Amino acid sequence: EAQVTQNPRYLITVTGKKLTVTCSQNMNHEYMSWYRQDPGLGLRQIYYSMNVEVTDKGDVPEGYKVSRKEKRNFPLILESPSPNQTSLYFCASGGEGTRALSRANVLTFGAGSRLTVL
Amino acid sequence: AQSVSQHNHHVILSEAASLELGCNYSYGGTVNLFWYVQYPGQHLQLLLKYFSGDPLVKGIKGFEAEFIKSKFSFNLRKPSVQWSDTAEYFCAVGDDKIIFGKGTRLHILP
Repeated sequence: EAQVTQNPRYLITVTGKKLTVTCSQNMNHEYMSWYRQDPGLGLRQIYYSMNVEVTDKGDVPEGYKVSRKEKRNFPLILESPSPNQTSLYFCASGGEGTRALSRANVLTFGAGSRLTVL
Repeated sequence: AQSVSQHNHHVILSEAASLELGCNYSYGGTVNLFWYVQYPGQHLQLLLKYFSGDPLVKGIKGFEAEFIKSKFSFNLRKPSVQWSDTAEYFCAVGDDKIIFGKGTRLHILP
């Protein structure tokens, strides 16, 4: 089944304790992206990646890091989480062929990771 | 600046009522437009998309949207809503970078 898998789905942590949210897709998509969803703010893009080893900042990248060493994986790293990073996080992937999102392919979203930072 | 504006944050309708959710965008690149839906407790799913061609786009579950270039709009419509349409709806625009609106919560009364 074509899907985007995120882990963990739920996590409660404390300020300053490094954590990683993994994201993996099995559709050979070149494009991957992380969003956070907050009430009243909709989805805001954190980082995106057009291909392996190519990453770019979205609208709210502060406090986050990403890496794209393999096509299928795009982990989101919070080096020193703070309470304002409490949110629902979604990973998404899209695009096939030689140019990701050449026609703004449909995004496939993961099920979401609810993160609480105390 | 690139942005997507959804006019209605919360809409309440009775079953069989007609629906129109507004979406306006500001985007400097190639305009590709989307509506996504998020049912309660679920992740986002594509409702419909516009890349080019006929500005009236039909999607799943009886939804449609019309791209009006002169108004920078991409409003979502459905002639007769059902209780199962209760969800949050997001308009999005983009090419390499996809920007989402803040969403509209739709609540259908049975």
